Amino acid sequence: QVQLVESGGGVVQPGGSLSLSCAASGFTFSPYGMHWVRQAPGKGLEWVSFIRYDGTNEYYADSVKGRFTTSRDRSSNTLYLQMNSLKPEDTALYYCAKEYSFEYWGQGTLVTVSS
Amino acid sequence: DVVMTQSPLSLPVTLGQPASISCRCSQGLLHSDGNTYLHWFQQRPGQSPRRLIYKVSNRDSGVPDRFSGSGSGTNFTLKISRVEAEDVGVYYCIQGTHWPFTFGPGTKVDIK
Repeated sequence: QVQLVESGGGVVQPGGSLSLSCAASGFTFSPYGMHWVRQAPGKGLEWVSFIRYDGTNEYYADSVKGRFTTSRDRSSNTLYLQMNSLKPEDTALYYCAKEYSFEYWGQGTLVTVSS
Repeated sequence: DVVMTQSPLSLPVTLGQPASISCRCSQGLLHSDGNTYLHWFQQRPGQSPRRLIYKVSNRDSGVPDRFSGSGSGTNFTLKISRVEAEDVGVYYCIQGTHWPFTFGPGTKVDIK
């Protein structure tokens, strides 16, 4: 069955960096675009980024543009989110989701930006 | 950016009764490829979101047929024909037609 397992979350100081991973299994990774979506504690869902199936195009929310970079590794079936210049408002549970229309979601990894 | 609004934001329902959630968008969602990328998700307490309905009215595999989606243009609706206890949670719409994608604020459904 489809599995998406996020990892890499943790506590980081404002201005710091963190790299998240999303390991995909149970389906053929390469034909599908992938999303990152986040949810601040007690808040709603916020779309963060999308990368096309072949990695040729990436799209970002205005709130993270220029600071976050999404990438993918076909050989390891892994999606990445490199987060730089982190702010307290980036504190959230970060989910990856399969496919343009968000067919499946992982369990999320928690990022806390705090001094 | 496309602004998504949902109403109501809180929906107390009686078991066995119907429920309806509205999602309105600041721009039409018909994509140039002919599809309308409006999806609905359910998030039960403590769980990840789960897609219920994609492209307005297509029910996902395993989703009970008491859930249905409809709408076009800028107005969309999620209906639950008879609410069950397992339907408690927050429901979100999202538009995937215009970049950046945007979610609605969520509608919290609970039992009266």
